[in-house]
Amino acid sequence: DVQLVESGGGLVQPGGSLRLSCAASGFTFSSYAMSWVRQAPGKGLERFSGITASGGDTFYADSVKGRFTISRDNSKNTLYLQMNSLRAEDTAIYYCAKTTGSSGSYPFDYWGQGTLVTVSS
Amino acid sequence: EIVLTQSPGILSLSPGERATLSCRASQSISSYLAWYQQKPGQAPRLLIYGASSRATGIPDRFSGSGSGTDFILTISRLEPEDFAVYYCQQYGSSPRTFGQGTKVELK
Repeated sequence: DVQLVESGGGLVQPGGSLRLSCAASGFTFSSYAMSWVRQAPGKGLERFSGITASGGDTFYADSVKGRFTISRDNSKNTLYLQMNSLRAEDTAIYYCAKTTGSSGSYPFDYWGQGTLVTVSS
Repeated sequence: EIVLTQSPGILSLSPGERATLSCRASQSISSYLAWYQQKPGQAPRLLIYGASSRATGIPDRFSGSGSGTDFILTISRLEPEDFAVYYCQQYGSSPRTFGQGTKVELK
């Protein structure tokens, strides 16, 4: 069975940093593009970062560009998100999501359970 | 950026009734549209992709239609477990965007 397990969330002060991880199993991780999608409390979904299967191409929404870095280690079947200069508006549940193809032009067929990031002093 | 507008915001229905949810794109996305269901405290689940193809394990009471800018998700007969929030998402143009969601609630 496909499993995506996020970790690394928590409470951080404004301006601080966190690194999220998403451990994947049950599929050939290196064959699929992955994304991070977040959901602020009581709000909708925002796909703010993505990475191709090889890791050679990445995407960032304007809301996180220059502050967040997505990466993957295909030898460890793990997706990462380095988050710097965190702001209160980054408070959300962060999901990793698997696409059905090697690039971003595919829907998300599996999602992790999410990890909560709270940015507050 | 392609904006997806879902309507209605809230749909109040009873079990056994038919639900019709709409998603309109600000420009053509061909058939690069997916629908997701999200229940409280859970991650979204893929229901429909390619505007009309059911994902693995999705009951046939869920169906999708449309192309270009106008899309519909239909739940033919609501089951108790179908009361949830539904999101559409386009994946044909960058950035990939979601609609704001339609909540299907118990009447």
